[in-house]
Amino acid sequence: KQEVTQIPAALSVPEGENLVLNCSFTDSAIYNLQWFRQDPGKGLTSLLLIQSSQREQTSGRLNASLDKSSGRSTLYIAASQPGDSATYLCAVFNFNKFYFGSGTKLNVKP
Amino acid sequence: DAGITQSPRHKVTETGTPVTLRCHQTENHRYMYWYRQDPGHGLRLIHYSYGVKDTDKGEVSDGYSVSRSKTEDFLLTLESATSSQTSVYFCAIQGLADTDTQYFGPGTRLTVL
Repeated sequence: KQEVTQIPAALSVPEGENLVLNCSFTDSAIYNLQWFRQDPGKGLTSLLLIQSSQREQTSGRLNASLDKSSGRSTLYIAASQPGDSATYLCAVFNFNKFYFGSGTKLNVKP
Repeated sequence: DAGITQSPRHKVTETGTPVTLRCHQTENHRYMYWYRQDPGHGLRLIHYSYGVKDTDKGEVSDGYSVSRSKTEDFLLTLESATSSQTSVYFCAIQGLADTDTQYFGPGTRLTVL
């Protein structure tokens, strides 16, 4: 069974800092990996999707990398802002299902 | 944003009663999913559908059933609600390709007393 782990569970940083969120998974036979953002009381919003054949994807200040062989992905946020405060979840997709990590709760202090 | 809605958005019910949650999409996507989200557990898949009348179980399917009679609607039924089913329920949709993004609805907060 696929297990997805996110470390750290919570992170607090001052505004302007660059930061890295980590995601690891146990079964490397994935079709893609997706990073989501969730604001309190809201649904999930897709940030980046990396196909299994890709190594990274970028969108604005966000960069996600994927290393299938080691079962790891990172989400890099550049020049963090208070508006980035949210919970970030990663999910891997294989055999018609997504498997989610428990998320990293990020707080960016002004 | 993908056209996906959930109803009701909030519900309080009593133990032992049946409850049905509805997910509706306007995107004609093939795949639809029901998850529950609980503190410390992240999102866990309950059931999913890969087409009309085609459904399969997820990791926490006990006590839940689903139906999909039309492409746009995916219903989740709690056959006899229990307090352990108090949770936030999310519906999600995904296009045909494995590379398609998964889009989430706004969630339904269910409380079972």
